[in-house]
Amino acid sequence: AQSVSQHNHHVILSEAASLELGCNYSYGGTVNLFWYVQYPGQHLQLLLKYFSGDPLVKGIKGFEAEFIKSKFSFNLRKPSVQWSDTAEYFCAVRSNNAGNMLTFGGGTRLMVKP
Amino acid sequence: GAGVSQTPSNKVTEKGKYVELRCDPISGHTALYWYRQSLGQGPEFLIYFQGTGAADDSGLPNDRFFAVRPEGSVSTLKIQRTERGDSAVYLCASSPTGNEQFFGPGTRLTVL
Repeated sequence: AQSVSQHNHHVILSEAASLELGCNYSYGGTVNLFWYVQYPGQHLQLLLKYFSGDPLVKGIKGFEAEFIKSKFSFNLRKPSVQWSDTAEYFCAVRSNNAGNMLTFGGGTRLMVKP
Repeated sequence: GAGVSQTPSNKVTEKGKYVELRCDPISGHTALYWYRQSLGQGPEFLIYFQGTGAADDSGLPNDRFFAVRPEGSVSTLKIQRTERGDSAVYLCASSPTGNEQFFGPGTRLTVL
C-alpha cells in the first residue's frame, strides 16, 4: 500500500524566514502529487500539484515544490514566510494503480511568529 | 461559484445511535469522495463515487459504514451503531475529472 510521510509535525518560524517542508512517498508507479493547506477554521485548499513535465512546480501565494523522482520526494518551499502562512500543510499522493483516492501525509503544523 | 457543502457542520450523538452526513458537491462534478480525519492526522480515504456508483469503497472501515449517491449529485454517508472511535471530521470532496479534488468544510462527528 502506498504511504506518505511528512517529517516535521510542527514548525515554528519567524516572518521572512525560509520554509521547507519535507514529503516522501512510498510507491514506485506513476504518481500525481499535491500540497493542500488548511488555514485556521477553513477547509482544505489546493496549494499546488504535479502531474507531469517540469518537476519544479509553482503554486499560489509564492509556494513551490520540487518533485525528485529518485528520492520519492515532493518538498514544499517558500523563500520568505508571512504570518498569514500560519496553517496546517498536507502532502498527498494519487497513484495510477491505486484508484482515484488521495493518500495524505500526517500534516505539518506551521506557526509563523510576527 | 458555490463550493462543496456539508451538513451538519457539527454532530453530537450517543454511542449506538445512527447518523447521516450529507455532502453537496460542486455542480457538474461527477466524482465524489469521502475521507475521515482524526485528530492530529491527515485525511484517510473512505469511498469514491463516479456518478451514482461506488467505484471504490475499500476505505470503509467496516460494515457499519455505508454511503449512497442515488442521483449522481448529493451523497449521504451513513454510520450505524456509532462507536466512540468514529469521532472524527468527515470530509467530502468532488472533482470534475478525478484529478484535482475540491474539499468541503467537513462535518465534525462526536460520539459520546
